[in-house]
Amino acid sequence: NAGVTQTPKFQVLKTGQSMTLQCAQDMNHEYMSWYRQDPGMGLRLIHYSVGAGITDQGEVPNGYNVSRSTTEDFPLRLLSAAPSQTSVYFCASSYSDSFYNSPLHFGNGTRLTVT
Amino acid sequence: AQKVTQAQTEISVVEKEDVTLDCVYETRDTTYYLFWYKQPPSGELVFLIRRNSFDEQNEISGRYSWNFQKSTSSFNFTITASQVVDSAVYFCALSEASTSGTYKYIFGTGTRLKVLA
Repeated sequence: NAGVTQTPKFQVLKTGQSMTLQCAQDMNHEYMSWYRQDPGMGLRLIHYSVGAGITDQGEVPNGYNVSRSTTEDFPLRLLSAAPSQTSVYFCASSYSDSFYNSPLHFGNGTRLTVT
Repeated sequence: AQKVTQAQTEISVVEKEDVTLDCVYETRDTTYYLFWYKQPPSGELVFLIRRNSFDEQNEISGRYSWNFQKSTSSFNFTITASQVVDSAVYFCALSEASTSGTYKYIFGTGTRLKVLA
């Protein structure tokens, strides 16, 4: 019963470095998504996916790439980290189809600091 | 476009007081879902309730109750007899169901509730 697993929990990067935040779920959920949480800004959607091979941009996609090669995994890539990407990142998944949206299951978050 | 507004940034109440957290949403669809989540100081996000657009019945769960009014596009959350353990950030969210297969969950900016002993 792992649910949604995010790694790492903490990360410090220097400006310009790249890294991948990992997200895996074992609930066979088609819908997966990435959010960033900043003070006063709530949870903002970065990218989301409604199934393997299908991704789309959310509210704040710039500076981030995603891919969805399997149902289980949805990694988030920062190609060239910037201080503005310092944030807490949450991965979430749900069972959803064209007519029904279940609640999102969230991972425990990754706290990223870019210096 | 979807939008969720939580105008109350922070609310402080004294224990045992009742408190209502406001949520106003915008959507063009007739089929959608509304959610409330709680984020305690430990940081995890905890699901509280889901409501679909066809069900305007109010719901009560213990000290929690929710008032859904489509006429005002609001989905407000009331905590009765608040307790210190209710201190958290509360998020309202909206998801549109779509026959095209694309949908997304959009969150409000959250309301920080502080319950003082």
